[in-house]
Amino acid sequence: NAGVTQTPKFQVLKTGQSMTLQCAQDMNHEYMSWYRQDPGMGLRLIHYSVGAGITDQGEVPNGYNVSRSTTEDFPLRLLSAAPSQTSVYFCASSLGTSGGTDTQYFGPGTRLTVL
Amino acid sequence: GQQVMQIPQYQHVQEGEDFTTYCNSSTTLSNIQWYKQRPGGHPVFLIQLVKSGEVKKQKRLTFQFGEAKKNSSLHITATQTTDVGTYFCAGGLGAGSYQLTFGKGTKLSVIP
Repeated sequence: NAGVTQTPKFQVLKTGQSMTLQCAQDMNHEYMSWYRQDPGMGLRLIHYSVGAGITDQGEVPNGYNVSRSTTEDFPLRLLSAAPSQTSVYFCASSLGTSGGTDTQYFGPGTRLTVL
Repeated sequence: GQQVMQIPQYQHVQEGEDFTTYCNSSTTLSNIQWYKQRPGGHPVFLIQLVKSGEVKKQKRLTFQFGEAKKNSSLHITATQTTDVGTYFCAGGLGAGSYQLTFGKGTKLSVIP
C-alpha cells in the first residue's frame, strides 16, 4: 500500500491564481481531511469528508473548496490564492469507524508559497 | 469551540534528561491521541488513550490520560537525539463528532 499520497510536494503561486492540491489513499478509508500547518499554530482542520459525496467545513475553511467523488480521492482547491494561504498542507485519512477521531494517517504534505 | 492547549511550546534538553509535554482540554474528551512530527516530515501516530486514568508505555515513552479525561501527558525518559521533533496531542469529542482537535505541539530539541 502507498498509504496517503499528495501532489505536488512544492508549489509557488502568484496572488489570485487557482490550483488544486491532490490527495489519494489506497487503504479504503472512509474519513479524509485537510489540515494546514503554520509555525506556532499547530494543525488546523480545513475541510473533512466522512465518505464519498459528503464533505463539511473544519476550523479554517474560507478560501478553500473540496469534493469527494470517490473514496480514494479528496482534492483541495484554492480558488484565488492569497499570501495568507502560504502554509504546509497535510491530507489525512482514517477508517472512520469513530467518525474522524480514530487514528489519522497523514500524507507527506504540500509546501505552498503564495507570492 | 473545543480547545486543546499544549505546553510547553518549546523544550531544549540535554541528551539523557527527561522530557514531558502536557495537554489540557476545556471539555471532556472521548479519546486522546499523540503524534510525532520529525523536522521536515509529517505527523505520525504514536498512541491512543481512551479510558479514564489510562497509562500506556512504549519503551522510554509513557502516556497518561487524566481521570477526568480532560488532560494528558507524554513523558520521555532519558532522551536521545532520535527523539527530536514536535509532539502533538489531539483530542476527540467522540460520538457525533467528526473532528480531532490538535494542540499546537511541543518542539523538542535534544543537545548531544
